[in-house]
Amino acid sequence: GEDVEQSLFLSVREGDSSVINCTYTDSSSTYLYWYKQEPGAGLQLLTYIFSNMDMKQDQRLTVLLNKKDKHLSLRIADTQTGDSAIYFCAESKGSYIPTFGRGTSLIVHP
Amino acid sequence: NAGVTQTPKFQVLKTGQSMTLQCAQDMNHEYMSWYRQDPGMGLRLIHYSVGAGITDQGEVPNGYNVSRSTTEDFPLRLLSAAPSQTSVYFCASSWGQSSYEQYFGPGTRLTVT
Repeated sequence: GEDVEQSLFLSVREGDSSVINCTYTDSSSTYLYWYKQEPGAGLQLLTYIFSNMDMKQDQRLTVLLNKKDKHLSLRIADTQTGDSAIYFCAESKGSYIPTFGRGTSLIVHP
Repeated sequence: NAGVTQTPKFQVLKTGQSMTLQCAQDMNHEYMSWYRQDPGMGLRLIHYSVGAGITDQGEVPNGYNVSRSTTEDFPLRLLSAAPSQTSVYFCASSWGQSSYEQYFGPGTRLTVT
């Protein structure tokens, strides 16, 4: 199986909440990340969480980490059409290069 | 700061041709890396460097060479291009030891015919 897995597509209506899920296999992961890629651009770090945390909130974004199940989620409240993008889950062990999932394409319908 | 820059933005090669994709960063980052992005495959690490003069292979290194003679530059060389190397290539950099964020360039879209 892959090191980091996430579903490929998610479609939501504008104004609803979006939840993007990710599972990882390495229990020694230190950092877990969410990156966002807009069309034709490189990736940008959206948010991250340390492995000793359960939750992190940043404005409309909420990250939940379940270490026991090795499950990470990103919730976007009040999703807007500008949130349409590909969202990548990634994990790393300290200073090592992160491993990325395949990315989830979020499509927001008006 | 320009951040991470990549040239060219687009390139078409014939099978067997060679070329170098350029990557530069002006943030004095220690770590630099090259990824390729293919539909449904996410990002796959090709090569990375933890400092000038030090490089190592990633997940998919075959067909690519790198060198890191300066902190700023990390070029990726395709010695004999193949259609399987058609992809979008991203360069990224980070501080290294105490860093959790990678900064990505805008990408180079390469087509090999």
